[in-house]
Amino acid sequence: AQTVTQSQPEMSVQEAETVTLSCTYDTSESDYYLFWYKQPPSRQMILVIRQEAYKQQNATENRFSVNFQKAAKSFSLKISDSQLGDAAMYFCAYKGYGNKLVFGAGTILRVKS
Amino acid sequence: SQTIHQWPATLVQPVGSPLSLECTVEGTSNPNLYWYRQAAGRGLQLLFYSVGIGQISSEVPQNLSASRPQDRQFILSSKKLLLSDSGFYLCAWSGGEGGRSGNTIYFGEGSWLTVV
Repeated sequence: AQTVTQSQPEMSVQEAETVTLSCTYDTSESDYYLFWYKQPPSRQMILVIRQEAYKQQNATENRFSVNFQKAAKSFSLKISDSQLGDAAMYFCAYKGYGNKLVFGAGTILRVKS
Repeated sequence: SQTIHQWPATLVQPVGSPLSLECTVEGTSNPNLYWYRQAAGRGLQLLFYSVGIGQISSEVPQNLSASRPQDRQFILSSKKLLLSDSGFYLCAWSGGEGGRSGNTIYFGEGSWLTVV
């Protein structure tokens, strides 16, 4: 079974600085998708960025980018120029051939002004 | 564009009472539909998913059930709520037409259930 591990329960970053959230996963599948979701205090799950495993190029979305290391099964999220609105719980997630989205335990990101 | 709505947003129910949470998706056809639960502010647990009308897969044995009476409607139910059913419930969808675009899952606003 696939598993997703987020080893950082909490992270802090100063406003305008850069922070990296870690995620590792375990799978025997060759084709899959990886996601980062943001959950602000409102609790709605918001898609931040998505990476397709067959693509070697790292995905980017404005201030958000990933470092996808397929051989190491690592998928970290980098947030540049952090803003107060980035404060939230961030979940790493995996989707393979099946219909299930497997989530990590989440990382709370605090942004200091 | 596609949208997903679920309701009610907040619900306080006594132990032993029934439950019905509803979710609808607009702007797409034949979506895959999901119910997730998030307890204690942490990880999400998949409860049910559906690939079509009347087709429900259960991921964990529990006090809850799901139904899909229409293509874009997904309902989470219980006949008798338990205290342990309290939590945050999220409905979600992904494209049912297949292909790579169908692999991203989008979530509704969520429903807070407190069983007292």
